[in-house]
This record gives sequence, structure tokens and C-alpha cells, in this order.
Amino acid sequence: AQTVTQSQPEMSVQEAETVTLSCTYDTSESDYYLFWYKQPPSRQMILVIRQEAYKQQNATENRFSVNFQKAAKSFSLKISDSQLGDAAMYFCAYRSGEDASKLTFGTGTRLQVTL
Amino acid sequence: GAVVSQHPSRVICKSGTSVKIECRSLDFQATTMFWYRQFPKKSLMLMATSNEGSKATYEQGVEKDKFLINHASLTLSTLTVTSAHPEDSSFYICSASSPLQGGGETQYFGPGTRLLVL
Repeated sequence: AQTVTQSQPEMSVQEAETVTLSCTYDTSESDYYLFWYKQPPSRQMILVIRQEAYKQQNATENRFSVNFQKAAKSFSLKISDSQLGDAAMYFCAYRSGEDASKLTFGTGTRLQVTL
Repeated sequence: GAVVSQHPSRVICKSGTSVKIECRSLDFQATTMFWYRQFPKKSLMLMATSNEGSKATYEQGVEKDKFLINHASLTLSTLTVTSAHPEDSSFYICSASSPLQGGGETQYFGPGTRLLVL
């Protein structure tokens, strides 16, 4: 079974600074997808970024980028120019390449953004 | 695009009653919908996966007769908590995916339903 590990229960970053959230996973599959979801206090899960395992290029979405290290099974999220609205729980998730596969979530990292 | 709604957003019920939660994909047809449960300050726990027109697949430890899931159309899935008890109080979240939406690999989440059983 796949597992996803987020070793940082809480992180803090100053506004306008950069922060990196860690995520590692364990799988024997070669075809899979990785995601970062954000859950603000409203508890609405919001997709931040996704990465296909077959793509070597790291995904980017505006201020959000990932460092995908397939051999190391690492998938960290970098948030640049942090904003107050970035404060939330961030969940890393793994999905097998098989059709309609479920997501396996990490335990989450709570990000605080300070002035 | 890819908006998922849930109704109701909050519900309070008496112990022993049944509660139905609706999950709708508003702007796409969801071939697969997922139901999660989330305890305070915890991650999401998958309860079941449902495909339109077929029976749901439940995760180990989830009672099928207690958490009834129906996926009658490509835009609607319902979760019914039968004979609810205080321990069923939780935050329930649905998600939806489709091969025609984001490649089918991405799940789009509803805003969640907070259930409180007295």
C-alpha cells in the first residue's frame, strides 16, 4: 500500500518570504500522480498543484512550485512571496495511475503566515 | 470550472434519525465520486468510492449499512447516515472526478458538511 508522509506538522513563514513544505511517499508503482491540496479555515479543499510522475519537469502554478525527486520519492511544495491568504492546512496526496484510483493523503502541514 | 457543491453545509439531528447529504458536480459530469470523513485537525479518511450506476466500494472498516451511498446520475451522489449516533458527528467531504475534467486524475472537492448528532 502506498503511504504519504508529511514530517512537518506546523510551519511558519513571514509575509513575502518563501517556505518549503516537505512530502515523501512510498510506492512500487511507476505511473502515478502527486497533488498538493490546501484547506483554509473554511475547510474547502482547494487543488494547489499536481504533478505527473512521468514528467521530469517540475510543475509550477504562479507562486507555487514543486520539487519532484522521483528516485528519492520526494515531492516538496515551495510557496514564494507568501501571502496572508496562504495560511491553511496543506495536504500532500498520492494517486495511482490506475483509473478512478483513490487519493492517499498525508497528515497535513499547518502553515502560518506572519506579518 | 470543476465546481462541486454539497448540501446541507451543516446539519444537527437527534440520535437515531437518518441524515442525507447531497454532492453535486455543477459544471461537469462526474463518473466517479468519493466520500471522505475528516476529524478535527486530522487528515481526510476515504469512506467509499462510487461510480455512476453501480454500487459503491467501501473502505475497510466502513459500515455499508450505516453509510448508504447512491450515485444515481453523473452529477449527483448522496450519502445517507442511517440511525445516526453521536460518534457519527464529523465533517463529511465529497469529491468528484471525470476523464474529461483535468484528465480524470484530479479530484475536485465539495465544501463539506458538518454533521452534529445530539
